[in-house]
Amino acid sequence: GENVEQHPSTLSVQEGDSAVIKCTYSDSASNYFPWYKQELGKGPQLIIDIRSNVGEKKDQRIAVTLNKTAKHFSLHITETQPEDSAVYFCAASRGTASKLTFGTGTRLQVTL
Amino acid sequence: SAVISQKPSRDICQRGTSLTIQCQVDSQVTMMFWYRQQPGQSLTLIATANQGSEATYESGFVIDKFPISRPNLTFSTLTVSNMSPEDSSIYLCSVRGTSRSYEQYFGPGTRLTVT
Repeated sequence: GENVEQHPSTLSVQEGDSAVIKCTYSDSASNYFPWYKQELGKGPQLIIDIRSNVGEKKDQRIAVTLNKTAKHFSLHITETQPEDSAVYFCAASRGTASKLTFGTGTRLQVTL
Repeated sequence: SAVISQKPSRDICQRGTSLTIQCQVDSQVTMMFWYRQQPGQSLTLIATANQGSEATYESGFVIDKFPISRPNLTFSTLTVSNMSPEDSSIYLCSVRGTSRSYEQYFGPGTRLTVT
């Protein structure tokens, strides 16, 4: 089955700096890669996703890149703010009829 | 995206008892899922709740321990039976709009502590 590895497990950045979280997947048939943000005491929130026919997708300060050949994808957050502090999870699936496999999570702390 | 609510939001239960968690969605959805998130860990799929038929359980999870109901397209329940302290976790309901949807959304979770 699919295996998703996520790095780093913790990340501390200063406000205004950029943050990058990386994930690798094992199943070459995976074609959907979402990212979730989970704040303390809340459920995961879908913040951005990418499908395998696209190499990069942006939404304001966040972007996701995908390298199908290397089987890895990354989340980029620019101009970080304290409210970006949370745990971020990547995931992968083979598509609409397939379950999501999650990474182990990255705890991002944005310091003033 | 769908608005998902769960009840209760948290509970403290004694070992050996059972708790039923409810998940309500504000629109009809085809696919509903139940996840477990142990403290400080990632999300683990327990089962897919199927309307009108038995749930589909993942390896390591059985119906006797986690019975699931899904009477319609907006509601599901997960029961955690004969609880032990190892069942202390966050239980999350999750949905996809249709069988052709990629996007999956999560409820706020139910925080269960078993003493």
